[in-house]
Amino acid sequence: ETGVTQSPTHLIKTRGQQVTLRCSSQSGHNTVSWYQQALGQGPQFIFQYYREEENGRGNFPPRFSGLQFPNYSSELNVNALELDDSALYLCASSLGGGQPWLTDTQYFGPGTRLTVL
Amino acid sequence: RKEVEQDPGPFNVPEGATVAFNCTYSNSASQSFFWYRQDCRKEPKLLMSVYSSGNEDGRFTAQLNRASQYISLLIRDSKLSDSATYLCVVSRTGGGNKLTFGTGTQLKVEL
Repeated sequence: ETGVTQSPTHLIKTRGQQVTLRCSSQSGHNTVSWYQQALGQGPQFIFQYYREEENGRGNFPPRFSGLQFPNYSSELNVNALELDDSALYLCASSLGGGQPWLTDTQYFGPGTRLTVL
Repeated sequence: RKEVEQDPGPFNVPEGATVAFNCTYSNSASQSFFWYRQDCRKEPKLLMSVYSSGNEDGRFTAQLNRASQYISLLIRDSKLSDSATYLCVVSRTGGGNKLTFGTGTQLKVEL
């Protein structure tokens, strides 16, 4: 096991609602990245947080937002849910984050499976 | 064009077979390369990093050709437990930053 935990494991919402997903990083890791994996696709980068600051963002609209807390755990918030938001949401923790020369590994949590009806 | 392209498969092979997966990437600024393995409805797990000199880990061999922007993974003596989706992954910086995934290649190893 990676030591990265996510909650909840499954979630069902309706269009227009808002959702908050949570991630606890591996002990000692200061960086959390969030990915969205639609069925049959590879994970797509949403954003990364390094020491409580956003450290890079993928091609996702502003209704996808996040937070990182002093203990390095993180939240992903999605407003105004759309049917296409149905996916597996993965968080990954790593050490270092903002240093481009580091080749540290990202360790993934088990994911939250979100269904939007 | 997708930044990382893979044949989605599935590759159905008998136990003991050798199977090769290929991947191409479009961004020449990519610096770090990986193969991840993802079991059905599970999270991706790092299988191995890929180095320019090529590297081997037991039955698994990875190769990188920067000139052709091409990455490969060879699995020898396939086991039933190798059945999974194999994701080709690149990063423009170190592996702790944004990872760009291919769609994955599904492998089914059969008796």
